[in-house]
Amino acid sequence: GAVVSQHPSRVICKSGTSVKIECRSLDFQATTMFWYRQFPKQSLMLMATSNEGSKATYEQGVEKDKFLINHASLTLSTLTVTSAHPEDSSFYICSAKGEERYGYTFGSGTRLTVV
Amino acid sequence: GENVEQHPSTLSVQEGDSAVIKCTYSDSASNYFPWYKQELGKGPQLIIDIRSNVGEKKDQRIAVTLNKTAKHFSLHITETQPEDSAVYFCAASRGTGNQFYFGTGTSLTVIP
Repeated sequence: GAVVSQHPSRVICKSGTSVKIECRSLDFQATTMFWYRQFPKQSLMLMATSNEGSKATYEQGVEKDKFLINHASLTLSTLTVTSAHPEDSSFYICSAKGEERYGYTFGSGTRLTVV
Repeated sequence: GENVEQHPSTLSVQEGDSAVIKCTYSDSASNYFPWYKQELGKGPQLIIDIRSNVGEKKDQRIAVTLNKTAKHFSLHITETQPEDSAVYFCAASRGTGNQFYFGTGTSLTVIP
């Protein structure tokens, strides 16, 4: 199979604090993972491409110093939202590519609320 | 870059009827077209996909058609059931190892 586990599913944090979201591929190795952001009733917007062992590639308009991505192993990528503000509140979703036949598998998402 | 448009944005059908969602894309180099179902508060789940060397693919009640010349592809759900209610996204990519470009989503409601 191709299972991607994302944690936490929900998190509430205070403005100015940092939040870390984990994305794990459970039964396959993923050299590449993707991080998306989704606003209510909108589509998924790619934030960055996470590459194992190298720096992430960020999409235009995404602040790399605010959204820190670490892909230290073939099964784990983390997204850290630093100095979070209410406008960072959103649904964050990761995806990873396993075997060719499975294409991309998405995590279950993380609902971040910054108060 | 690629631009994927999806219609309709909302769709309501009676249980047992068929539902059709259409997408168009702009990049002729795109060759992989997955469809995802997203339930409230969850991540998208792949339901069917099609590659550019195939015109149609079917999996039980779900089918996808692709017209490369016109650059559009469609999702067909037959004999709809209430549990089919969700948001559906189409996507286009230059292959499974490349970035996905998502459509804007269709909120499907199946009325019992």
